[in-house]
Amino acid sequence: KQEVTQIPAALSVPEGENLVLNCSFTDSAIYNLQWFRQDPGKGLTSLLLIQSSQREQTSGRLNASLDKSSGRSTLYIAASQPGDSATYLCAVETGTYKYIFGTGTRLKVLA
Amino acid sequence: DAGITQSPRYKITETGRQVTLMCHQTWSHSYMFWYRQDLGHGLRLIYYSAAADITDKGEVPDGYVVSRSKTENFPLTLESATRSQTSVYFCASRGGTGRSGANVLTFGAGSRLTVL
Repeated sequence: KQEVTQIPAALSVPEGENLVLNCSFTDSAIYNLQWFRQDPGKGLTSLLLIQSSQREQTSGRLNASLDKSSGRSTLYIAASQPGDSATYLCAVETGTYKYIFGTGTRLKVLA
Repeated sequence: DAGITQSPRYKITETGRQVTLMCHQTWSHSYMFWYRQDLGHGLRLIYYSAAADITDKGEVPDGYVVSRSKTENFPLTLESATRSQTSVYFCASRGGTGRSGANVLTFGAGSRLTVL
C-alpha cells in the first residue's frame, strides 16, 4: 500500500532563507508527483507537477526534484518570503486515477 | 469565470438531513474527484468520476452518493448526515484522456460542512 510521508510537520524560518521540504513515498510505481500549497481556509493550489520520467521541475523560486528509486521528492524554495507561509502538500498519482496525499508541512516564514 | 467552483462554501445542518454539495468546472475536464480533509487524516478520496455517467468509489464512500449527468457537474450528496461527516470537502478535476501523467489536478475552494 502506497504511503506518503512529509517531514517535518512544521517549519519556521527567517525571511530570505533557502529551504527544502521533503516528501517520501513507499512505492516507486507512480505516474507523477505533484506539489501543492494550501493557505488557511482555502483550497489546494498546484505548484509543480513532475512526471515519473522527469527528474525536476522549476517555477520561479520553486524547484521540485524527484528520485523514484529512493522514493523521495524535495521542494526547494529560494529566498523565502513571508508570503510563502502556508501548508505544502505532496501527492503521488498511482495507476488507478487515485492520488495519495501527504499530511503536509506547515511553513512559517518570519519577517 | 473559468475554473472550478463549489457551493455552498459553508453549511450547517442537523443529523439525519440530506445535504448536497455542488461542484462545477468550466474546462470540460474528464476526471472529477471528491475529497474530504480532516485533521489527522489528511485528504481522503470519497468518489471519483472518469467521465459523464461513470463514477467509482474511493477510500471513504460510505454515506455519500454522487452523480454525473453532465461533464461539468459532479454533485456530492450526504443522504442522511452524521456528525462524523463534519469536514471540509474539496472537489477537484483534471484533464487528459490517457495515462500520460502530464495533467495537473486542480482543486475548488472547498465546502466546510458542520453536522450538529
